[in-house]
Amino acid sequence: KAGVTQTPRYLIKTRGQQVTLSCSPISGHRSVSWYQQTPGQGLQFLFEYFSETQRNKGNFPGRFSGRQFSNSRSEMNVSTLELGDSALYLCASRHQGGTEAFFGQGTRLTVV
Amino acid sequence: DQQVKQNSPSLSVQEGRISILNCDYTNSMFDYFLWYKKYPAEGPTFLISISSIKDKNEDGRFTVFLNKSAKHLSLHIVPSQPGDSAVYFCAATGGSNYKLTFGKGTLLTVNP
Repeated sequence: KAGVTQTPRYLIKTRGQQVTLSCSPISGHRSVSWYQQTPGQGLQFLFEYFSETQRNKGNFPGRFSGRQFSNSRSEMNVSTLELGDSALYLCASRHQGGTEAFFGQGTRLTVV
Repeated sequence: DQQVKQNSPSLSVQEGRISILNCDYTNSMFDYFLWYKKYPAEGPTFLISISSIKDKNEDGRFTVFLNKSAKHLSLHIVPSQPGDSAVYFCAATGGSNYKLTFGKGTLLTVNP
């Protein structure tokens, strides 16, 4: 069974630009969550989607948004990039009724 | 306000000995706890979990202990192997909210 797939693995963007990251969950998993990892703040929850609906949202500005498609694939968008948005963005999927989240390898975003 | 704390940023042990990683939490709503292992530039890998109705869960070399009254959990790795060298994250979740709250991690180094 294929794991969680995130694309791209690495990305360099300029301040002020926007970026879209993609996540394909494990087959059969309908819950997709996004996390940001930075050296100072650790792993922080961004949002969770289930059946195309956002169920939870973390404490991030509105520049961070996401969506989920009918095939459970999810995208995350960050607009008006700031230097502080440089981080490893991780996607995790979970089986309905399960608590364990399984993570992808992440997208390393660098804002210059 | 850090709801999940891993007070030891690093731990070094000899191969074959026991590694004990500790985690404390403050939120009484947490009822499920997970440990993840992470290598640099990769996503976290799920290791083991425990529900608040249990006080111990074992999986091979890994055992997690939960002390609810002390709001403390620990991960024991016996025997430790050099391949166990990684950052270990403790995470917690509770209620109908499947958001994971992570500690800042402990870097485990197992010396041959």
